[in-house]
Amino acid sequence: RKEVEQDPGPFNVPEGATVAFNCTYSNSASQSFFWYRQDCRKEPKLLMSVYSSGNEDGRFTAQLNRASQYISLLIRDSKLSDSATYLCVDPPQGGKLIFGQGTELSVKP
Amino acid sequence: EAEVAQSPRYKITEKSQAVAFWCDPISGHATLYWYRQILGQGPELLVQFQDESVVDDSQLPKDRFSAERLKGVDSTLKIQPAELGDSAMYLCASSEEGKSNTEAFFGQGTRLTVV
Repeated sequence: RKEVEQDPGPFNVPEGATVAFNCTYSNSASQSFFWYRQDCRKEPKLLMSVYSSGNEDGRFTAQLNRASQYISLLIRDSKLSDSATYLCVDPPQGGKLIFGQGTELSVKP
Repeated sequence: EAEVAQSPRYKITEKSQAVAFWCDPISGHATLYWYRQILGQGPELLVQFQDESVVDDSQLPKDRFSAERLKGVDSTLKIQPAELGDSAMYLCASSEEGKSNTEAFFGQGTRLTVV
């Protein structure tokens, strides 16, 4: 089993739609996670952190369910500019980042 | 805004040749990472440095890959000899300290094509 698993998609949604991605992880000791965003052929950039209390930033909401060991990212009112690959990341002790394979989102007009 | 610098941006090399990538992290960042990302997959850690010391190189194919960060600042990743399967994006990242919940900042990467 991979340490961090994501549905690779692609998710094709119309502008204005709400879309949700899930990510499962295997390290039961992990207490926080990151969502990174990666545009085509660019480097990953931090989107938001996720703690057990959840996190909301504008149209983006991230939640962590430690009992079921999954993380979710909800995007409301999707914009064309949201098209990207979203990477779920486990940052265990020691600092290294363990990435999922990424979920591709394509928002269409 | 401070950035992680990488060079070259693109590299085409023939198999069995040697290739090297360079990374200059954000000033003051003690932790430096090299990741490899194959198209359609997430980045995979090759090596992690804390200052000049290797913290984790368990996934580095040591028969052909080497990495160094001699003065604890910039770093070089080398492949010798290159193989077709090494074609990928090589990403360097840095963070202030190697602890959980610390954001890592990525450079633009070096896209390697082995022919």
